[in-house]
Amino acid sequence: QSVLTQPPSASGTPGQTVDISCSGSSSNIGDNSVNWYQQVPGTAPKLLIYSSHQRPSGVPDRFSASKSGTSASLAISGLQSEDEADYYCAAWDDSLNGPVFGGGTKVTVL
Amino acid sequence: QVHLQESGPGLVKPSQTLSLVCTVSGESVSRGGSYWSWIRQRPGKGLEWIGYVYPSGITNSNPSLESRTTLSLNTSSNQFSLKLRSVTAADTAVYYCARLTSSWTRKFDYWGQGTLVTVSS
Repeated sequence: QSVLTQPPSASGTPGQTVDISCSGSSSNIGDNSVNWYQQVPGTAPKLLIYSSHQRPSGVPDRFSASKSGTSASLAISGLQSEDEADYYCAAWDDSLNGPVFGGGTKVTVL
Repeated sequence: QVHLQESGPGLVKPSQTLSLVCTVSGESVSRGGSYWSWIRQRPGKGLEWIGYVYPSGITNSNPSLESRTTLSLNTSSNQFSLKLRSVTAADTAVYYCARLTSSWTRKFDYWGQGTLVTVSS
C-alpha cells in the first residue's frame, strides 16, 4: 500500500492527452513539492518533473504538472508511442522525514 | 554530471545479509546538499524508499525496514552502502542507489542503473 495514491493505469491514442492523478496528505503533498518520474520497463526511473511543475532540461514540454492542496497531477499531451512507461509521483513526507512514492501508473498508447 | 553505480552479490541466501555498495563519480559524497539514498523495486511492483545517509553521517530509514537496515558512507572511496539483514524472498528486488537533493525540491535527480538481488537458497 503506497502512501501516495495513483490510478494503476491510463491510456490514450497518439496525439491525445492523458492525465494522471496523485493524492496524498498534509504531511507530504500538502506541505512539500511533488516530483514525477518516468520509468521505461527494464530501466531506472528518470526525473520528469520537479517542484510540482518544473521540467529538467531535455524533457519535452508535452509533459506538464500541477499541484493543488494535497493532490497533484501530470498531463501528457500529444501522446507518443515512446511515452509508454510507468509514471510515479513522489513527495517528501514530514512525518517520515523521507520521501514517499505513489504506486505508479502504467501508461499505454493504443 | 553525476554517475552512480551499484555493485554487490546478485544472489543472497535466506536469513543472510544483503550488502550493496554504490560508487559515485562526479560529486563527493562528503559534500553537503545530497541525501545518498537506496530505493528498491520488487518484481512487478512500485518504488519503495529504503533509506538515506547524509554527508554528516546521519541516516534515516523506512520504518518498515529500519530494524534490518544499516546505511553508511565511505568518503575515502566516494561510496555509500546498504546492509539489509535477515533477508527473505520478499526482499528479492532491483535495488537502486540515487542522489536525493536536500533543497526544497527534494528530488531524486541521479540514479544508478539498478542491480537485481535474488534471495534464494
